[in-house]
Amino acid sequence: GAVVSQHPSWVICKSGTSVKIECRSLDFQATTMFWYRQFPKQSLMLMATSNEGSKATYEQGVEKDKFLINHASLTLSTLTVTSAHPEDSSFYICSASLGGLRYGYTFGSGTRLTVV
Amino acid sequence: TQLLEQSPQFLSIQEGENLTVYCNSSSVFSSLQWYRQEPGEGPVLLVTVVTGGEVKKLKRLTFQFGDARKDSSLHITAAQPGDTGLYLCAGSTGGGNKLTFGTGTQLKVEL
Repeated sequence: GAVVSQHPSWVICKSGTSVKIECRSLDFQATTMFWYRQFPKQSLMLMATSNEGSKATYEQGVEKDKFLINHASLTLSTLTVTSAHPEDSSFYICSASLGGLRYGYTFGSGTRLTVV
Repeated sequence: TQLLEQSPQFLSIQEGENLTVYCNSSSVFSSLQWYRQEPGEGPVLLVTVVTGGEVKKLKRLTFQFGDARKDSSLHITAAQPGDTGLYLCAGSTGGGNKLTFGTGTQLKVEL
């Protein structure tokens, strides 16, 4: 089955620093990956669509200069939270699909980011 | 923006009870999925429905897609503590591959 690995599972950083989160498709190639943000007790909010070999597509209200996405290969997408602030603390989750919507999406296990 | 409203938002029941979770929208979806998420983990796909009126059964879980493809329901029979989690519906419109997630239903099943 399709497996998506996300790393790190949790990270604590100081305000003003940058944090990189990796999302890997382990046994399949993913031309498209998605990044979500989830606050406690809430649903997932799509932040951006990561496209292999091209620029990411950001959802309205998401700062592209703050949340840098790089999809340099068919198995790896990274999300970098730049100049992190406490309000960026959240649960970040990536997803990818083996074969499109009909097959559903496989999600990473998420990254808990805490900015102090 | 397509909105998917789930109800109820929270549900706490005893083991053995039945329950139904609803997912409603004013938009038509080409496909709709249900996920279950546990704390600190990513959502796990339960089912995908694509045809209006479609009903799928997965052991004690029954999923239905509305005839107009605007709504869906998840029915759990004889709930068990292991069913505890956040249930999310998610839909896609047109030919796009982006998912819009519902507002979520937090289910707790107690002994």
